[in-house]
Amino acid sequence: EADIYQTPRYLVIGTGKKITLECSQTMGHDKMYWYQQDPGMELHLIHYSYGVNSTEKGDLSSESTVSRIRTEHFPLTLESARPSHTSQYLCASSESSDHTGELFFGEGSRLTVL
Amino acid sequence: GQNIDQPTEMTATEGAIVQINCTYQTSGFNGLFWYQQHAGEAPTFLSYNVLDGLEEKGRFSSFLSRSKGYSYLLLKELQMKDSASYLCAVMDSNYQLIWGAGTKLIIKP
Repeated sequence: EADIYQTPRYLVIGTGKKITLECSQTMGHDKMYWYQQDPGMELHLIHYSYGVNSTEKGDLSSESTVSRIRTEHFPLTLESARPSHTSQYLCASSESSDHTGELFFGEGSRLTVL
Repeated sequence: GQNIDQPTEMTATEGAIVQINCTYQTSGFNGLFWYQQHAGEAPTFLSYNVLDGLEEKGRFSSFLSRSKGYSYLLLKELQMKDSASYLCAVMDSNYQLIWGAGTKLIIKP
């Protein structure tokens, strides 16, 4: 059973607010990812990390930032939220050293920006 | 550009068999994944294919043809709980996953 947790599950905030979506995993996985998913659409990679102090931007242009100070923790921050940021954000981790391992997903954070 | 195509929606009957197709055009290939995603939930891993052929896992099987850029997921003895979206994803030459938009499978009694 996967042990990857996201908080908050649901968040409604006003434009211009700063928010941080938390993601933690207890599996000791080095690789962690943030995806954005709109209803009926494909997952888009916005950030990833292959280990502590390693972060990269994904293929989707994003105004968010991430940090990886500890293996188990990979928070995503939006400095100034806008209605276009309304979406579901999925955090995932993987243990595979050869990139072929499955991804374990958290339950997601559904963000609504008014 | 990189592209994953799968049908938007399919309907099948409880107890029957359904095949969900996925075609892809990517920069390189390092494997193809199928994930299941129930409405409002996170995706969960179903299968991984990197060599041509059929991989069977219980009621679910996944097939790959690299020369044709084609895969399918076969679900047998359908149950109501199989109603979900099925996501096809290909790992490209940079080991990044390219995702399809998913196929919403509706199971009718």
